[in-house]
Order: sequence, then structure tokens, then C-alpha cells
Amino acid sequence: DVKVTQSSRYLVKRTGEKVFLECVQDMDHENMFWYRQDPGLGLRLIYFSYDVKMKEKGDIPEGYSVSREKKERFSLILESASTNQTSMYLCASSPGPGGRISDFGEGSWLTVV
Amino acid sequence: DAKTTQPPSMDCAEGRAANLPCNHSTISGNEYVYWYRQIHSQGPQYIIHGLKNNETNEMASLIITEDRKSSTLILPHATLRDTAVYYCSPRRPGANNLFFGTGTRLTVIP
Repeated sequence: DVKVTQSSRYLVKRTGEKVFLECVQDMDHENMFWYRQDPGLGLRLIYFSYDVKMKEKGDIPEGYSVSREKKERFSLILESASTNQTSMYLCASSPGPGGRISDFGEGSWLTVV
Repeated sequence: DAKTTQPPSMDCAEGRAANLPCNHSTISGNEYVYWYRQIHSQGPQYIIHGLKNNETNEMASLIITEDRKSSTLILPHATLRDTAVYYCSPRRPGANNLFFGTGTRLTVIP
């Protein structure tokens, strides 16, 4: 019953490294999202995509980029990781404009040292 | 987007009903109220949503006050697996964002 899969559960990276977080969904959803979750700050939207090769900035896009070459795959890229990007990253998908975001991945815990 | 206020924590005895309140007094007329929960170290799980009528599904019931300024999520027979952080999240139709506040940590006690 796999729906949204994040490739890495736990990662430790060094400051300045380029980091790729991969997300795949198998529900043929149009929309995909990347969030980060930090204690006391709730969920914050980094980027989302409503179609292949389309992307929109969320609330905190600085320091991140994304790639959506195929409908089922949405990648989050940290061009040069910094310690303030240590966080839990969540991928999600929804079927279409305004569709219910009902499917999240398990999360990727990134530590930047 | 409307902001939310939820109690930081609640306890509930196993088998009893868990009633989780959420204040969203600034909710606008077209915002739905969504509820999610997050079990430790996992991604959020959708539970239920509603606009102004009460809703029920296999997981929970949602009661929304007539003025829509608050809602209550009801887990009718809480189990230990319901221990999680519960979030309410107002959201406009067509909005791509989903705002989670700090939620309520529900602990179901044996």
C-alpha cells in the first residue's frame, strides 16, 4: 500500500555539501509538495509543483531548489547545505488544484554538521 | 489563512472518547477545517475535514460550531495507537498550502 515514498529516512551531511532528497508517489497525483517541520514552528512549505517541470515557491524557498522531470517524482535540492537546514523534511501529494493533501511520506531527517 | 489554537496536550483513557478542540476564530467563509495527526517520527496522516456540517468517517467525527470559530475532533473509542500529535488546519479550496500549528499531543493511557 505504498503511496508516497521518500528515498532517505536519515541523512547526515557536512556543511557545504549538495543534498538531494527524493520523493516518489504512485497515485498519479498532479500536485507534489516539500515541507520542513521544526519544533515549535509546525509545517512550513518550501516548494510545490502542480505539473511536470512546473514549480512554485512556498513560504521558505531560500537555500532550496526543486526538480520535477516526471509526474511521479519530486526532488528537493539543497545546493550548499547549512546547519540551519537541519530538520525533518516531508513530501506530500494531492490529486489536483485544491485537492486534499492526504498522502505524506514518512519523512527524511536531515542533520547538517 | 486562519490561525489556530489548540491545547498543547491531553490524556485520554483507552476505550473512552477523545475530544480534541481547536479554535479558529479568524476562519473565513470558504475555508475548510482539516484534521491530521502525526505519530512520532512519521509523516502526517489525514483524518477528516469539513466546512460547516458535522462529518463522520471510519476514523473520527468532526463537530464544527455554528459560527465556525471552533471545532472538535472526536475519536469515539481511543486506542493506544491513537497516541499522536493532532493538528487542525483551515484551508481554502484551491489553496496549495497547508498550515500546521503546534497541535495537541494526545496520550492514550492504558
